[in-house]
Amino acid sequence: QKEVEQNSGPLSVPEGAIASLNCTYSDRGSQSFFWYRQYSGKSPELIMFIYSNGDKEDGRFTAQLNKASQYVSLLIRDSQPSDSATYLCAVLREGAQKLVFGQGTRLTINP
Amino acid sequence: GAVVSQHPSWVICKSGTSVKIECRSLDFQATTMFWYRQFPKQSLMLMATSNEGSKATYEQGVEKDKFLINHASLTLSTLTVTSAHPEDSSFYICSASREVDTQYFGPGTRLTVL
Repeated sequence: QKEVEQNSGPLSVPEGAIASLNCTYSDRGSQSFFWYRQYSGKSPELIMFIYSNGDKEDGRFTAQLNKASQYVSLLIRDSQPSDSATYLCAVLREGAQKLVFGQGTRLTINP
Repeated sequence: GAVVSQHPSWVICKSGTSVKIECRSLDFQATTMFWYRQFPKQSLMLMATSNEGSKATYEQGVEKDKFLINHASLTLSTLTVTSAHPEDSSFYICSASREVDTQYFGPGTRLTVL
Protein backbone atom coordinates (compact mmCIF):
# COMPACT_ATOMS: atom_id res chain seq x y z
CA GLN A 1 0.00 0.00 0.00
CA LYS A 2 1.32 3.39 -0.96
CA GLU A 3 1.67 5.88 1.84
CA VAL A 4 -0.36 8.52 -0.02
CA GLU A 5 -2.82 7.45 -2.67
CA GLN A 6 -4.69 9.44 -5.27
CA ASN A 7 -6.73 8.44 -8.26
CA SER A 8 -4.51 9.31 -11.22
CA GLY A 9 -7.49 10.26 -13.35
CA PRO A 10 -8.00 11.88 -15.71
CA LEU A 11 -10.96 13.52 -14.03
CA SER A 12 -13.13 15.52 -16.37
CA VAL A 13 -15.49 18.15 -15.01
CA PRO A 14 -17.65 20.64 -16.92
CA GLU A 15 -16.90 24.30 -16.49
CA GLY A 16 -18.77 25.82 -13.58
CA ALA A 17 -19.24 22.52 -11.76
CA ILE A 18 -17.55 21.37 -8.55
CA ALA A 19 -14.40 19.32 -8.94
CA SER A 20 -13.72 16.88 -6.11
CA LEU A 21 -10.23 15.48 -5.62
CA ASN A 22 -9.54 12.78 -3.08
CA CYS A 23 -6.51 11.50 -1.23
CA THR A 24 -5.99 8.79 1.37
CA TYR A 25 -2.96 8.23 3.55
CA SER A 26 -1.75 5.26 5.53
CA ASP A 27 0.24 6.75 8.41
CA ARG A 28 -1.99 7.76 11.32
CA GLY A 29 0.88 9.87 12.65
CA SER A 30 0.48 12.29 9.77
CA GLN A 31 -0.13 15.80 10.98
CA SER A 32 -0.07 18.23 8.08
CA PHE A 33 -1.71 17.94 4.70
CA PHE A 34 -1.09 19.93 1.56
CA TRP A 35 -2.57 20.35 -1.87
CA TYR A 36 -0.34 21.47 -4.71
CA ARG A 37 -1.32 22.29 -8.28
CA GLN A 38 1.11 21.50 -11.10
CA TYR A 39 0.63 22.68 -14.64
CA SER A 40 2.30 20.67 -17.37
CA GLY A 41 5.99 21.49 -17.56
CA LYS A 42 5.88 23.66 -14.44
CA SER A 43 6.75 23.12 -10.80
CA PRO A 44 4.12 22.57 -8.08
CA GLU A 45 2.33 25.53 -6.59
CA LEU A 46 0.91 25.42 -3.06
CA ILE A 47 -2.87 25.84 -3.02
CA MET A 48 -3.84 24.99 0.53
CA PHE A 49 -2.74 23.27 3.69
CA ILE A 50 -4.86 21.86 6.48
CA TYR A 51 -3.97 20.56 9.91
CA SER A 52 -7.26 20.07 11.75
CA ASN A 53 -10.28 17.91 11.11
CA GLY A 54 -13.03 19.63 9.18
CA ASP A 55 -13.16 22.09 6.33
CA LYS A 56 -10.91 24.95 5.40
CA GLU A 57 -12.02 27.37 2.73
CA ASP A 58 -9.97 29.75 0.60
CA GLY A 59 -11.82 31.39 -2.25
CA ARG A 60 -13.09 28.71 -4.61
CA PHE A 61 -11.06 26.02 -2.86
CA THR A 62 -12.10 23.96 0.15
CA ALA A 63 -9.87 21.39 1.79
CA GLN A 64 -11.51 18.72 3.93
CA LEU A 65 -9.70 16.53 6.44
CA ASN A 66 -10.97 13.45 8.24
CA LYS A 67 -8.19 11.96 10.33
CA ALA A 68 -10.32 9.08 11.58
CA SER A 69 -10.85 7.94 7.99
CA GLN A 70 -7.35 9.05 6.93
CA TYR A 71 -8.84 11.01 4.11
CA VAL A 72 -8.23 14.47 2.74
CA SER A 73 -10.00 16.08 -0.17
CA LEU A 74 -9.96 19.25 -2.23
CA LEU A 75 -13.10 20.80 -3.66
CA ILE A 76 -12.92 23.37 -6.42
CA ARG A 77 -16.13 25.35 -6.88
CA ASP A 78 -17.10 27.08 -10.10
CA SER A 79 -14.41 25.19 -11.99
CA GLN A 80 -12.60 27.11 -14.70
CA PRO A 81 -10.58 25.82 -17.66
CA SER A 82 -7.53 27.38 -15.99
CA ASP A 83 -7.98 24.89 -13.13
CA SER A 84 -6.99 22.10 -15.53
CA ALA A 85 -3.78 20.70 -14.05
CA THR A 86 -2.41 17.84 -11.99
CA TYR A 87 -3.23 18.13 -8.30
CA LEU A 88 -0.77 16.65 -5.84
CA CYS A 89 -1.70 15.64 -2.32
CA ALA A 90 1.19 15.72 0.15
CA VAL A 91 1.40 14.57 3.73
CA LEU A 92 3.86 15.38 6.50
CA ARG A 93 4.34 13.03 9.41
CA GLU A 94 4.82 14.45 12.89
CA GLY A 95 8.46 15.18 13.54
CA ALA A 96 9.45 14.61 9.92
CA GLN A 97 10.82 17.19 7.54
CA LYS A 98 9.97 15.65 4.23
CA LEU A 99 6.65 15.56 2.44
CA VAL A 100 5.26 12.35 1.01
CA PHE A 101 3.46 12.97 -2.27
CA GLY A 102 0.70 11.09 -3.95
CA GLN A 103 1.03 10.35 -7.64
CA GLY A 104 -1.31 13.22 -8.51
CA THR A 105 -4.74 13.48 -10.12
CA ARG A 106 -5.00 14.98 -13.58
CA LEU A 107 -8.01 17.29 -13.74
CA THR A 108 -9.51 18.60 -16.97
CA ILE A 109 -12.20 21.29 -16.95
CA ASN A 110 -14.23 21.20 -20.13
CA PRO A 111 -15.60 24.52 -21.44
CA GLY B 1 6.10 36.29 0.09
CA ALA B 2 7.79 32.86 -0.03
CA VAL B 3 9.40 33.15 -3.45
CA VAL B 4 11.93 30.55 -4.51
CA SER B 5 14.05 30.93 -7.62
CA GLN B 6 16.16 28.46 -9.55
CA HIS B 7 18.92 29.01 -12.03
CA PRO B 8 19.25 28.04 -14.78
CA SER B 9 15.69 27.29 -15.90
CA TRP B 10 17.01 24.91 -18.52
CA VAL B 11 20.39 23.51 -19.48
CA ILE B 12 21.70 21.26 -22.22
CA CYS B 13 25.06 19.64 -21.72
CA LYS B 14 27.26 16.92 -23.15
CA SER B 15 27.56 13.55 -21.49
CA GLY B 16 30.34 13.50 -18.91
CA THR B 17 30.14 17.15 -17.94
CA SER B 18 28.98 18.53 -14.61
CA VAL B 19 26.05 20.86 -14.14
CA LYS B 20 25.33 23.12 -11.19
CA ILE B 21 21.80 24.23 -10.32
CA GLU B 22 21.15 27.02 -7.83
CA CYS B 23 18.14 27.36 -5.59
CA ARG B 24 17.47 30.61 -3.74
CA SER B 25 14.82 31.72 -1.31
CA LEU B 26 14.34 35.36 -2.25
CA ASP B 27 12.27 36.84 0.53
CA PHE B 28 12.74 34.50 3.47
CA GLN B 29 15.35 32.45 5.21
CA ALA B 30 14.92 28.77 4.54
CA THR B 31 15.77 26.45 7.38
CA THR B 32 15.55 23.48 5.08
CA MET B 33 15.76 23.01 1.34
CA PHE B 34 14.75 19.96 -0.64
CA TRP B 35 15.76 18.67 -4.06
CA TYR B 36 13.35 16.69 -6.20
CA ARG B 37 13.51 15.06 -9.59
CA GLN B 38 10.53 14.49 -11.84
CA PHE B 39 10.44 12.35 -14.96
CA PRO B 40 7.70 12.87 -17.57
CA LYS B 41 4.23 11.87 -16.38
CA GLN B 42 5.55 10.82 -12.99
CA SER B 43 5.23 12.35 -9.57
CA LEU B 44 7.95 14.14 -7.68
CA MET B 45 10.76 12.04 -6.31
CA LEU B 46 12.63 13.45 -3.34
CA MET B 47 16.37 13.21 -3.81
CA ALA B 48 17.71 14.84 -0.68
CA THR B 49 16.97 17.11 2.27
CA SER B 50 19.41 19.87 3.01
CA ASN B 51 19.80 21.89 6.20
CA GLU B 52 22.00 24.97 6.22
CA GLY B 53 25.50 24.25 7.41
CA SER B 54 25.14 20.50 7.58
CA LYS B 55 25.46 17.58 5.21
CA ALA B 56 22.48 16.71 3.07
CA THR B 57 20.42 13.64 3.81
CA TYR B 58 19.96 11.59 0.67
CA GLU B 59 17.06 9.31 -0.09
CA GLN B 60 17.66 5.65 -0.66
CA GLY B 61 18.99 4.96 -4.12
CA VAL B 62 20.29 8.48 -4.73
CA GLU B 63 24.05 8.59 -5.21
CA LYS B 64 25.48 11.30 -2.99
CA ASP B 65 28.76 11.37 -4.93
CA LYS B 66 26.91 11.99 -8.16
CA PHE B 67 24.44 14.56 -6.87
CA LEU B 68 26.43 16.97 -4.73
CA ILE B 69 24.41 19.29 -2.55
CA ASN B 70 25.76 22.37 -0.82
CA HIS B 71 23.65 24.50 1.48
CA ALA B 72 26.04 27.25 2.45
CA SER B 73 23.53 29.86 3.60
CA LEU B 74 19.92 30.20 4.67
CA THR B 75 18.99 31.45 1.22
CA LEU B 76 21.07 29.33 -1.16
CA SER B 77 21.42 25.67 -1.93
CA THR B 78 23.14 24.17 -4.95
CA LEU B 79 22.84 20.81 -6.65
CA THR B 80 25.69 19.65 -8.85
CA VAL B 81 25.09 16.74 -11.16
CA THR B 82 28.55 15.32 -11.72
CA SER B 83 29.52 13.44 -14.87
CA ALA B 84 26.02 13.73 -16.21
CA HIS B 85 24.66 11.06 -18.53
CA PRO B 86 21.53 10.96 -20.69
CA GLU B 87 19.62 9.03 -18.01
CA ASP B 88 20.10 12.04 -15.71
CA SER B 89 17.97 14.13 -18.05
CA SER B 90 15.01 15.23 -15.97
CA PHE B 91 13.18 18.13 -14.38
CA TYR B 92 14.95 19.11 -11.17
CA ILE B 93 12.95 21.10 -8.66
CA CYS B 94 14.00 22.56 -5.36
CA SER B 95 11.78 23.64 -2.52
CA ALA B 96 12.42 25.69 0.57
CA SER B 97 10.77 25.55 3.93
CA ARG B 98 10.12 28.74 5.87
CA GLU B 99 7.87 27.49 8.62
CA VAL B 100 8.33 24.07 10.12
CA ASP B 101 6.38 22.23 7.48
CA THR B 102 5.28 24.30 4.49
CA GLN B 103 7.39 23.88 1.36
CA TYR B 104 7.52 26.41 -1.47
CA PHE B 105 8.79 25.22 -4.80
CA GLY B 106 11.15 26.85 -7.23
CA PRO B 107 10.24 26.96 -10.93
CA GLY B 108 12.42 23.97 -11.76
CA THR B 109 15.40 23.31 -14.02
CA ARG B 110 15.06 21.16 -17.08
CA LEU B 111 18.28 19.24 -17.70
CA THR B 112 18.98 17.57 -21.02
CA VAL B 113 22.15 15.53 -21.33
CA LEU B 114 23.18 14.71 -24.88
